[in-house]
Formats: sequence, structure tokens, C-alpha cells
Amino acid sequence: DSGVTQTPKHLITATGQRVTLRCSPRSGDLSVYWYQQSLDQGLQFLIQYYNGEERAKGNILERFSAQQFPDLHSELNLSSLELGDSALYFCASSVGTGGEGPYGTEAFFGQGTRLTVV
Amino acid sequence: AQSVSQHNHHVILSEAASLELGCNYSYGGTVNLFWYVQYPGQHLQLLLKYFSGDPLVKGIKGFEAEFIKSKFSFNLRKPSVQWSDTAEYFCAVSSEAAGNKLTFGGGTRVLVKP
Repeated sequence: DSGVTQTPKHLITATGQRVTLRCSPRSGDLSVYWYQQSLDQGLQFLIQYYNGEERAKGNILERFSAQQFPDLHSELNLSSLELGDSALYFCASSVGTGGEGPYGTEAFFGQGTRLTVV
Repeated sequence: AQSVSQHNHHVILSEAASLELGCNYSYGGTVNLFWYVQYPGQHLQLLLKYFSGDPLVKGIKGFEAEFIKSKFSFNLRKPSVQWSDTAEYFCAVSSEAAGNKLTFGGGTRVLVKP
């Protein structure tokens, strides 16, 4: 058990719908990362938050958004869903990216949310 | 921008065989290097990491990796694999300049035949 909790584990929804994926980081971790894993694209970095603020953005579509709340949990919102959005969405957390060097950057992954868009 | 390439997409070998998975990264600055493993149906787990110091890093489950800076490589090795090593292996790189986010290679699926 990595200490990172993601809910739900599975989600099936129709095209055009909107869903919210939730992530609770390990206790004490300030950084949260979202990744998308699909067969054709592999593991793609979507977005990172550090202590409530967006820190880095990757290949995240405009239909997708995320936020990190004061209690440090994070939500990834996916809207206007398309068939191609079907994938495994992972959340990871690390201690921090406060410029203290690499220590504390080791990321721990949750079990993922498998999203199926039909 | 940082990038990672893994040479083999699929590897099939028998139990007790030795395993070596190649990983090359592209980035001009200081990097942190990682190998993650994903067992079937599970999340990614850290096998080992390199930040600095001894370029030969030992991880869990008998895995080790060697950082060769001149070759921008961080190859993963295990002298004798077991059936339970069947999994997908991902090499990843991060850098402080890029916010310490992990950039992953495409992964290598390893099948160990009993």
C-alpha cells in the first residue's frame, strides 16, 4: 500500500458526460501529480500541484481540469468525455518540490481509476 | 524538455535467466532517475532511484541499475529472474528545473516463463 488513495477504482460513463476523480496523497506529501495511462500513449503526465498551487502542466486537454484543496487532496475533472479518454488515471504524491533538491521528490502512486467511456 | 526512451517493448525470458533493460534519457541538466514496476492490474511501485553518488544503485527484489552519465543511460539489471518478475517496467527521469515531475519511458513488458 503506497498510502495514496484514489476513488473511484472504476468508472463507466457515456460520451459527453463529466466525471470527477479524487486523490488523497500520502500523509505529509505536498505535491500531487496526475498521469494518464493508455495503450497507445503510454504514461502521460497531465498536471502537478504543490501545496494548492498549480506547479507544472503536461499534455492535459482543455476539457480537463484539476485542483488541490487546502487539505491537500486533489480532484481531476474530465468533461465532454470522448471514447478516446478511456484510460487508467493515476495520481501520485511526493513530499515536495520546494527547491530542496531531489530528496522528497520520490513519487508514490495510487491504484488508479479506470475510466471507460462508452 | 526531458525525454526517456526504452529500447525494448517486449522481453520474454525463462526463469533464472539474466535481465537487462535499456533506458536512455535526454536532458542537458542534472536529473534524477527512477525505475518503476507495474505488476498486472496494479499500480506503479518504485524499484530503485538515483540522485547522486555511487552510479550503481541497488533496489528492491534483487534489481540494480547503473547510471552512465556519458551515455545518458540508466539500465536496469537482475542476475536471475523469477516468474513473479513478470510485469511492465518503466524508466523515468525528473529534474528540479522541470518541477520534479516524472517523465516516463514507453515501458518494457517482461514475461518470465516458468
